[in-house]
Amino acid sequence: QSVLTQPPSVSAAPGQKVTISCSGSSSNIGNNYVSWYQQLPGTAPKLVIYDNNKRPSGIPDRFSGSKSGTSATLGITGLQTGDEADYYCGTWDSSLSAVVFGGGTKLTVL
Amino acid sequence: EVQLVESGGGLVQPGGSLRLTCAASGFTFSLYWMHWVRQVPGKGPVWVSRINSDGSSTDYADSVKGRFTISRDNAKNTLYLQMNSLRVEDTAVYFCARVGSRCSGGTCYSHWGQGTLVTVSS
Repeated sequence: QSVLTQPPSVSAAPGQKVTISCSGSSSNIGNNYVSWYQQLPGTAPKLVIYDNNKRPSGIPDRFSGSKSGTSATLGITGLQTGDEADYYCGTWDSSLSAVVFGGGTKLTVL
Repeated sequence: EVQLVESGGGLVQPGGSLRLTCAASGFTFSLYWMHWVRQVPGKGPVWVSRINSDGSSTDYADSVKGRFTISRDNAKNTLYLQMNSLRVEDTAVYFCARVGSRCSGGTCYSHWGQGTLVTVSS
């Protein structure tokens, strides 16, 4: 059971928009920065959003992040087949003194 | 180009030991906190441990505390994870990860290694 809760799967058609939620508590998301990672099969996770809503260099502006209270959201617009992957949220948990991740959301681009 | 290359994984019996190594290049290794994260295929990543830039401070997940030791050699640009008293539930792919230079919280990973598989089985 992951500390952060994500939906197991989401899907949308190419060109459409999708959002992925990440729910936590005041000890993690509520008081710490959230990051999002994209993981393609057989590869390491790749950072797509950090500090709640910032994009690393090279990540297209189709990817966005937001945070409100104890929840965070990853948004992807203009979906492409190459966006099909598992997405994970992560943050620091002040009560556990540990980095925590969500269980992951599998994005399918129909 | 930043590169992180893990090695040292393999098959080990319960109760055994392994030492993982992460060779870093392409950045000033001694300036960055480094972490180990593990992942069972098909499951989410799980944080294992972290070490500060000069090696003077370390933290561990409760599940590995007292059994695993993280260390680093800044002269060799290398990160280590000594794993003792291994359990079946330690079976996973182990990644080393570097904290992003622009991350405010210090827990976002801008670079990951390719991972090394540790299998604990009799």
